[in-house]
Amino acid sequence: AQKVTQAQTEISVVEKEDVTLDCVYETRDTTYYLFWYKQPPSGELVFLIRRNSFDEQNEISGRYSWNFQKSTSSFNFTITASQVVDSAVYFCALSNSGYALNFGKGTSLLVTP
Amino acid sequence: SAVISQKPSRDICQRGTSLTIQCQVDSQVTMMFWYRQQPGQSLTLIATANQGSEATYESGFVIDKFPISRPNLTFSTLTVSNMSPEDSSIYLCSVVGGWRYNEQFFGPGTRLTVL
Repeated sequence: AQKVTQAQTEISVVEKEDVTLDCVYETRDTTYYLFWYKQPPSGELVFLIRRNSFDEQNEISGRYSWNFQKSTSSFNFTITASQVVDSAVYFCALSNSGYALNFGKGTSLLVTP
Repeated sequence: SAVISQKPSRDICQRGTSLTIQCQVDSQVTMMFWYRQQPGQSLTLIATANQGSEATYESGFVIDKFPISRPNLTFSTLTVSNMSPEDSSIYLCSVVGGWRYNEQFFGPGTRLTVL
């Protein structure tokens, strides 16, 4: 069975602070895929990243970075110099096919000016 | 990226009725899925919509309650049958395209309220 745990339910930071959203996963598959999505207050789901289990390279995209560590079954997401527009619910998801997604419960991030 | 539209965007329905939600993509896609997001909750996969054949349902979801059609590579429907207030949720379709398998995009969702 697959499971995604996002232990942080809500996080509140002041603008320009760095913030890390934690994601821990469980799977018995050797091949799997991890995702992060952003859901702003408007409700749409925005794709951020997909990573497969054979690629442990960390990734950076602008102010966003992801740290994938198989040894600890974690795929954490860091926002550097947070902005008010980063306020959203962030979901981590896992899939053994790369397509059908098993979502965590989400972390609600509030960035205040 | 794909442009995905859903109709209706929202609806308020009476208990015992059915609602069909449409998902239209602007280009042919390989796979389409339907998810449910209950109020304040995460997303749960309902089923994989298979083109030309019966959908593949996840545990806890059945065809009689959530019949799905996918007549071609750009369109799918989800029907929520014999609705009860517990069906009040956002229903989202998602697609994996033939152009970029590394990304999975979601439609804007249909917000359903059942009274």
